[in-house]
Amino acid sequence: GAGVSQSPSNKVTEKGKDVELRCDPISGHTALYWYRQSLGQGLEFLIYFQGNSAPDKSGLPSDRFSAERTGGSVSTLTIQRTQQEDSAVYLCASSRTSPGTSSNLAKNIQYFGAGTRLSVL
Amino acid sequence: DQQVKQNSPSLSVQEGRISILNCDYTNSMFDYFLWYKKYPAEGPTFLISISSIKDKNEDGRFTVFLNKSAKHLSLHIVPSQPGDSAVYFCAASAYSGAGSYQLTFGKGTKLSVIP
Repeated sequence: GAGVSQSPSNKVTEKGKDVELRCDPISGHTALYWYRQSLGQGLEFLIYFQGNSAPDKSGLPSDRFSAERTGGSVSTLTIQRTQQEDSAVYLCASSRTSPGTSSNLAKNIQYFGAGTRLSVL
Repeated sequence: DQQVKQNSPSLSVQEGRISILNCDYTNSMFDYFLWYKKYPAEGPTFLISISSIKDKNEDGRFTVFLNKSAKHLSLHIVPSQPGDSAVYFCAASAYSGAGSYQLTFGKGTKLSVIP
């Protein structure tokens, strides 16, 4: 597809259940990021993938959160034993490359999907 | 602590006038700054960016100004149009040391352009 695709667009779950959120990045983009936006807050970084590896997981809020990426493309964010505070919009972004120098920063422009709105009851 | 701050949650401007959205940051390691625009139920859309080595970048009706000494940037929209009504996020990037240039976002400013 032309843009970043996320599914589902909305997810309602019960507290304690596991959920999987999917992200399909722009074709050819090697870098993939997950963010979340809680009500009234800015976007909060969760995890970064370069290819299939995740060198930066520093934003994951707890060990209930995990993510994987396969084939250098689709990524899945899994939240186990969901809690009400996990309710948020989860956004995925991709960019062409992982910049190594400041001259490449323009290539790090991140393109976002529409997000998955997660509601934990 | 918030490293990127947008102190105005909302702004209303008459069509045809200038819109000025402000953003302050605290982390001196930020070296690239971006503005994203977000409509309801959509993801943020990249609008314009500026490197820390510049103080101005212009793209059509949109101009971003960077004042490094004040750790302040602003987005100017001239002339403002009703279609510009959206939430605008300021974002900044710095090398995380773990291989990524994660973006740090402000909380956004909701711009309403009144016809």
